[in-house]
Amino acid sequence: DTGVSQNPRHKITKRGQNVTFRCDPISEHNRLYWYRQTLGQGPEFLTYFQNEAQLEKSRLLSDRFSAERPKGSFSTLEIQRTEQGDSAMYLCASSLGNSGVYNEQFFGPGTRLTVL
Amino acid sequence: GEDVEQSLFLSVREGDSSVINCTYTDSSSTYLYWYKQEPGAGLQLLTYIFSNMDMKQDQRLTVLLNKKDKHLSLRIADTQTGDSAIYFCAERGTPLVFGKGTRLSVIA
Repeated sequence: DTGVSQNPRHKITKRGQNVTFRCDPISEHNRLYWYRQTLGQGPEFLTYFQNEAQLEKSRLLSDRFSAERPKGSFSTLEIQRTEQGDSAMYLCASSLGNSGVYNEQFFGPGTRLTVL
Repeated sequence: GEDVEQSLFLSVREGDSSVINCTYTDSSSTYLYWYKQEPGAGLQLLTYIFSNMDMKQDQRLTVLLNKKDKHLSLRIADTQTGDSAIYFCAERGTPLVFGKGTRLSVIA
């Protein structure tokens, strides 16, 4: 399977715990994006990377959220001190970047987080 | 600012055409997209249209763009039960800006 993969697919945690999600993009893609999707809403952008550089992080929801892409391949999204309001689907997408005018983002299946 | 609006629900009978509408605010958008999301799955790009086009047809899908009114529509001909899903309109940008999605229900 050469698509975008995300792990775990489901995560249940207690309020106050830290969680970390992983995204493996399509191998030749240099851009990687994180989105959050709550029930009844469209995906909401959080942050993105070009290679290992995090180019936009002002949309991260609070300082409890952080993301890394240390070697420009896979990425992790961490949420510290989780709150019930963090319960959502976290989506990862990757693309070839702006090498052309058309820049399709390919999405993974998402990680569903439930905070009890 | 950027904003994308869609109607939330649409119900059609199998074999009929479906039309899903979207309005957007960013007049500088160069591409507009339609994504499909099936239950428990990520988003799949269905089609896109470049802003200098009025219409694009791709098999059963027809996209119409009215730049003056900033209105985008997706027509699905001969709608099938497998088309039941949530459809998102999105403006090109980094990041993509999505609407809330239209839930299409196809009645057999």
